[in-house]
Amino acid sequence: NAGVTQTPKFRILKIGQSMTLQCTQDMNHNYMYWYRQDPGMGLKLIYYSVGAGITDKGEVPNGYNVSRSTTEDFPLRLELAAPSQTSVYFCASRADRGTGFNTEAFFGQGTRLTVV
Amino acid sequence: GNSVTQMEGPVTLSEEAFLTINCTYTATGYPSLFWYVQYPGEGLQLLLKATKADDKGSNKGFEATYRKETTSFHLEKGSVQVSDSAVYFCALRPQGAQKLVFGQGTRLTINP
Repeated sequence: NAGVTQTPKFRILKIGQSMTLQCTQDMNHNYMYWYRQDPGMGLKLIYYSVGAGITDKGEVPNGYNVSRSTTEDFPLRLELAAPSQTSVYFCASRADRGTGFNTEAFFGQGTRLTVV
Repeated sequence: GNSVTQMEGPVTLSEEAFLTINCTYTATGYPSLFWYVQYPGEGLQLLLKATKADDKGSNKGFEATYRKETTSFHLEKGSVQVSDSAVYFCALRPQGAQKLVFGQGTRLTINP
């Protein structure tokens, strides 16, 4: 089972460049999330989506954009990269029904982004 | 607001030692509580959860009890193994919400 797949795994950007972090899930989950993980700071929610065509801001949305045109895909866009966006980015998805662990968030392996 | 505070790391133990990682939270109502584990080079995996007061979550020898009176959800394991070396995150989902709030993570290293 693929689960949540993120690409790329690593990327170095120059200040001012743009890029899209890809996230796709094959579990037919309605909910999808983007988090960033800074050293010693835990995970902060950037954006989330409760279904195709619906997105909402999390705690730290500035400098990012998202779209959700399909259930499977939830790309994260950085338009003008800044050093403050150096971080590890995690995508996650979650079902909106079920029992036990199946109702909780599944995470991708992460994208390590460095802005220089 | 909602927040999670975890025990400062890193934590280093010898194999077969007893483990406790403290976690306390602030939330209104009745949040669901979680422990996630992140092994080196991987994403987060759900380790255990509890959805109401006095529930005990358990998995892979780890346990945590939802204590409403002390707003705590401490992670314990009786005998750790080298393979338990990882970063552990305590998290909550506020009642009625779809988002997780994470603590800062605790890095655990187990020496043989």
